[in-house]
Amino acid sequence: DAGVTQSPTHLIKTRGQQVTLRCSPKSGHDTVSWYQQALGQGPQFIFQYYEEEERQRGNFPDRFSGHQFPNYSSELNVNALLLGDSALYLCASSLLDRDGYEQYFGPGTRLTVT
Amino acid sequence: DAKTTQPTSMDCAEGRAANLPCNHSTISGNEYVYWYRQIHSQGPQYIIHGLKNNETNEMASLIITEDRKSSTLILPHATLRDTAVYYCIPANTGNQFYFGTGTSLTVIP
Repeated sequence: DAGVTQSPTHLIKTRGQQVTLRCSPKSGHDTVSWYQQALGQGPQFIFQYYEEEERQRGNFPDRFSGHQFPNYSSELNVNALLLGDSALYLCASSLLDRDGYEQYFGPGTRLTVT
Repeated sequence: DAKTTQPTSMDCAEGRAANLPCNHSTISGNEYVYWYRQIHSQGPQYIIHGLKNNETNEMASLIITEDRKSSTLILPHATLRDTAVYYCIPANTGNQFYFGTGTSLTVIP
């Protein structure tokens, strides 16, 4: 059983560009959450998708947007990249209707903005 | 506002038990306590979680105080591979995780 997978592993972009990161949840999971982790800090919640809708959102600007597909996979889009967007982007999947169910994290995508 | 307080760092001798404390005094009644760890630049790894009762699995034990305001993660026989940052996270089912700064555990040979 494949766990959470993310692509690409690493990415280098220039300021002002746009980027799309992808996530496939663990088999059977219906909920996908995205987190940003800057160097030396804990992960920060960006947003969560369930049934192809954004269910929760953290304190991130509208430059950060996402999408969930019918097969539960998800994309994170970031427009007008800033140097401060350089970070490890983590995807986590879960089952929303299972009380107390844990989240499973992917290996992350390392984004560098130059 | 911080939801949890954890020691910044701890050392543990290889083969000994590692006891990692966490204070979550503002936890609400329906929030679980989740523990995750993160080895350098990898995705966080789920360890264990609980609501009220103590829990044990193949990785660790979780002790939650009766008032639920604090908990302790116990790694019974620490190995070098347990060196990581450990996060204690109170959260409702399906809700976002607030990771905080965690405890950097170093297992010493």
